[in-house]
Amino acid sequence: SQQGEEDPQALSIQEGENATMNCSYKTSINNLQWYRQNSGRGLVHLILIRSNEREKHSGRLRVTLDTSKKSSSLLITASRAADTASYFCATDPGGGADGLTFGKGTHLIIQP
Amino acid sequence: DTEVTQTPKHLVMGMTNKKSLKCEQHMGHRAMYWYKQKAKKPPELMFVYSYEKLSINESVPSRFSPECPNSSLLNLHLHALQPEDSALYLCASSPTASRETQYFGPGTRLLVL
Repeated sequence: SQQGEEDPQALSIQEGENATMNCSYKTSINNLQWYRQNSGRGLVHLILIRSNEREKHSGRLRVTLDTSKKSSSLLITASRAADTASYFCATDPGGGADGLTFGKGTHLIIQP
Repeated sequence: DTEVTQTPKHLVMGMTNKKSLKCEQHMGHRAMYWYKQKAKKPPELMFVYSYEKLSINESVPSRFSPECPNSSLLNLHLHALQPEDSALYLCASSPTASRETQYFGPGTRLLVL
């Protein structure tokens, strides 16, 4: 079963606005990561936040993590058309497994 | 070199064919992964290799056979596939199999007829 669940499933905003995506997960984690995928392409790692961190920034990206609520959010500020993509959160599934478990993803469309 | 390459980019095969997908990285990473992604769905983990040894096989049918000839190469051999196996197959690597950042290739889009 999927560890992460993103919402909204789809988001359309105007260029220049901020975009916020949320991710919820079910079990304890070591870290949570966000990836971007342009249509039909490979995934690009955006940011990793560890379980003992609450907030992290990278350029126009801001990620928060609330382990008590088992949730994370990704904020993209001053959006650009090039930010149009699908965004996935990914967690380690625990139990000694080494691959990532991805959430269902948010498809973000930036209207020019 | 900081990228993961995958060949071919596209593959069309019949259900009786045998084909292979290839993945290569020269970042010195010791963990490599295969994921399967259906349209509008998230990637699903298939296999994990750590130090050239298969460490995880997520109950993948035997018609998919992974191979790791050396630390830079990862193959996925395909035989007797079904139309429902049509998907984007993604390869990834990471420095170690430690749940840290993974670096993904562009994928091979597979169509099984």
